[in-house]
Amino acid sequence: SQQGEEDPQALSIQEGENATMNCSYKTSINNLQWYRQNSGRGLVHLILIRSNEREKHSGRLRVTLDTSKKSSSLLITASRAADTASYFCATLWNTDKLIFGTGTRLQVFP
Amino acid sequence: NAGVTQTPKFQVLKTGQSMTLQCAQDMNHNSMYWYRQDPGMGLRLIYYSASEGTTDKGEVPNGYNVSRLNKREFSLRLESAAPSQTSVYFCASSSTQGSDTQYFGPGTRLTVL
Repeated sequence: SQQGEEDPQALSIQEGENATMNCSYKTSINNLQWYRQNSGRGLVHLILIRSNEREKHSGRLRVTLDTSKKSSSLLITASRAADTASYFCATLWNTDKLIFGTGTRLQVFP
Repeated sequence: NAGVTQTPKFQVLKTGQSMTLQCAQDMNHNSMYWYRQDPGMGLRLIYYSASEGTTDKGEVPNGYNVSRLNKREFSLRLESAAPSQTSVYFCASSSTQGSDTQYFGPGTRLTVL
């Protein structure tokens, strides 16, 4: 399988804490994307980072990319109960298809 | 602007029955995709259509067929359903194929008995 892997598989934190999840992938990429999935819903795009970028911010999200280690991390700062969801990274496979990782389930307790 | 819509939302089939999952997008996107999501497996690509009139196999195409009816619609057919096809199916679209942002429908939860 070409799937990437997220780490940890599950994460539980209190509101206000930061949440960090990691993604490792296997092939060279031209970009990496992060998606969120609320329970029972479709995925929603969060952020895209290109291979020539090392860090990107969007609101409370910070994404880093280390192409030498084939890894990325997603940091959610000052988490809220509404951030409870599964988070997936996605990378390009065979030049024309996105491959999604297995996801990190984040639970934020009020 | 509804985005990506899927029908039905839920379906129960008996082994051997056939059915078609429908997907439509109103964003004038060129590329459309079908995924399945199983517990602990993330999303796996079944088929995709880079543009109207073309379709290609993804990671797990066996047991499925697709039709890109027009630019808006992309259907997924199960000719003879098997219990192993019990899953949640998501349709997605993007402006172009490859690494563009994908927009997802709400999913179809399929159970094959």
